[in-house]
Amino acid sequence: AQTVTQSQPEMSVQEAETVTLSCTYDTSESDYYLFWYKQPPSRQMILVIRQEAYKQQNATENRFSVNFQKAAKSFSLKISDSQLGDAAMYFCAYRNNDMRFGAGTRLTVKP
Amino acid sequence: NAGVTQTPKFRVLKTGQSMTLLCAQDMNHEYMYWYRQDPGMGLRLIHYSVGEGTTAKGEVPDGYNVSRLKKQNFLLGLESAAPSQTSVYFCASSQLKTILSYEQYFGPGTRLTVT
Repeated sequence: AQTVTQSQPEMSVQEAETVTLSCTYDTSESDYYLFWYKQPPSRQMILVIRQEAYKQQNATENRFSVNFQKAAKSFSLKISDSQLGDAAMYFCAYRNNDMRFGAGTRLTVKP
Repeated sequence: NAGVTQTPKFRVLKTGQSMTLLCAQDMNHEYMYWYRQDPGMGLRLIHYSVGEGTTAKGEVPDGYNVSRLKKQNFLLGLESAAPSQTSVYFCASSQLKTILSYEQYFGPGTRLTVT
């Protein structure tokens, strides 16, 4: 079964600085999708960024970018120029037929 | 555009009681999902549906049943609630499994407490 591991339960970053959240996954499939979701205190799940496994180029969405290492099964999220509104739980997710989520990383942004 | 809605937002049940959670989406999505989220854990898939009239088990299906009688609705049922089912439940939907769209759209969640 596919598993997703986020080894950092909590992370902290200074406003305007850069932080990287780690994610590794285990799969025997070659075709799949990877996601980072943000969950603020409102509980709403918000898609941050998406990566198709067949694409070698790392996905980028404004201040958010990923480092996708398919051979290493690693999918880290980099947040540049961190803002107070970035504070939230961040979940890494893997999707092939179903969807598997990591346990999450709580990001705190210090002013 | 409402997106994905869930009813109710909060519920307290006694052990052994039954209830149904309703999920509705207005985006004409084929796929719908039910997840539960427990403290310190990510979302875990309970059941999902790839189309009207079809359902499938996810990672943690025991103690739950689902139905997809209409494309826009996906119901999650608890026949005999247990304290272990205390959780936040999320519904999600997505387009057909295509290259262009694997994104899931989530509802706001339902907080269920079983005493």
